[in-house]
Amino acid sequence: EVQLVESGGGLVQPGESLRLSCVVSGFIASEHYMDWVRQAPGKGLEWVGRIKNKPSDDATQYAASVEGRVTISRDDEKNLVSLQLTSLKIDDTAMYYCTRAVQDGFDIWGQGTKVTVAS
Amino acid sequence: SYELTQPPSVSVSPGQTANITCSGEKLDFKLLYWYQQKPGQSPLLVIYKDNRRPSGIPERFSGSKSGNTATLTISGTQAMDEADFYCQAWDRSTLYVFGAGTKVTVL
Repeated sequence: EVQLVESGGGLVQPGESLRLSCVVSGFIASEHYMDWVRQAPGKGLEWVGRIKNKPSDDATQYAASVEGRVTISRDDEKNLVSLQLTSLKIDDTAMYYCTRAVQDGFDIWGQGTKVTVAS
Repeated sequence: SYELTQPPSVSVSPGQTANITCSGEKLDFKLLYWYQQKPGQSPLLVIYKDNRRPSGIPERFSGSKSGNTATLTISGTQAMDEADFYCQAWDRSTLYVFGAGTKVTVL
């Protein structure tokens, strides 16, 4: 079964860091572009960033709103994608979804992991 | 930065047709995706590449595009279709862009 399962969310204080994981099942993550999309409480969807597939040299791209504070990586042995968030701000509070990109959109979404940044 | 504009809400009676629009500059040159999100759930792809329906999505969901406006149509709307719907496109400068979402209410 094709599935994405996120974990790692939680309550953190401003300025702290967090690492989110996305376990991929049913397909090989390194063959696809894998992205992260977030959704603040009661708000819409916001693309966070992506890691390209191996033929594209695993290149990463990030939204301007998180550039410099976010790193996306992949563990091919574990078929897992990670999102490292640093210097967290209140505005980073959101549900973070792992997604599989297809051409210009996303066909598979995980159930999300919730990140709350509060003092 | 690129933007997609959706109406905040659409109301429809059961069995009737709901049309959700999404407009953006040069949208005719972009591939448009639509996602359905029910409360407490993750988004679900319902239309891809403007008008294609993924396996498992009911035929009552269809997509179209003309000029700078795309439309998601729900024919014979059912109570279970009540959800937020987001359009999304890819832009060279902003990369992935989502509309703000349209809440569909089945009255």
